[in-house]
Amino acid sequence: GAVVSQHPSRVICKSGTSVKIECRSLDFQATTMFWYRQFPKKSLMLMATSNEGSKATYEQGVEKDKFLINHASLTLSTLTVTSAHPEDSSFYICSARDAASGTYEQYFGPGTRLTVT
Amino acid sequence: AQSVTQLDSQVPVFEEAPVELRCNYSSSVSVYLFWYVQYPNQGLQLLLKYLSGSTLVESINGFEAEFNKSQTSFHLRKPSVHISDTAEYFCAVIREGNFNKFYFGSGTKLNVKP
Repeated sequence: GAVVSQHPSRVICKSGTSVKIECRSLDFQATTMFWYRQFPKKSLMLMATSNEGSKATYEQGVEKDKFLINHASLTLSTLTVTSAHPEDSSFYICSARDAASGTYEQYFGPGTRLTVT
Repeated sequence: AQSVTQLDSQVPVFEEAPVELRCNYSSSVSVYLFWYVQYPNQGLQLLLKYLSGSTLVESINGFEAEFNKSQTSFHLRKPSVHISDTAEYFCAVIREGNFNKFYFGSGTKLNVKP
């Protein structure tokens, strides 16, 4: 149980285009989902916290107009990287918290490798 | 400020040898501590966690970690590793009062050789 999927696993896009990454909780409902970014040989950095039906809360230094987050249902959150640039190339990981568990444990997706050319 | 340090980026070890992956943290408030494991092309999986109580916590596959408050450490150990333990290991903390925000270390790649 507690499986989180991400789609796509890898994406290559041209500079200036937008790309959408999906995060789904497959066997539980997630009122809260999280988006992380991981640079090579670096920690996972929390980008934003999204709650179903409300606006996402962004961490300091993360551009909310560039990284659009939508959490329209209890099983799906999307991250859209708008007007992507090469510096946005990174590994993006989402996680979700099981609404019914009552704990703060997060279940992580397998990540999406974004390459902007 | 909150930070998590994993000093070893890579740890090579032979099968059946013991291993210790180090994790130190800094915090001015109480913390909860976690170890996550990431196998190739998979998401992070919770290995074990310390919330309260006994400072020695164990996982189902033979790993253990001990919370040492005076040394602000939460090192991960296993007395005898298997090839299948080859993976990336992340130490993480959350602090009391803000359970949403995980602070991760930079990860340690454990490479078990036959």
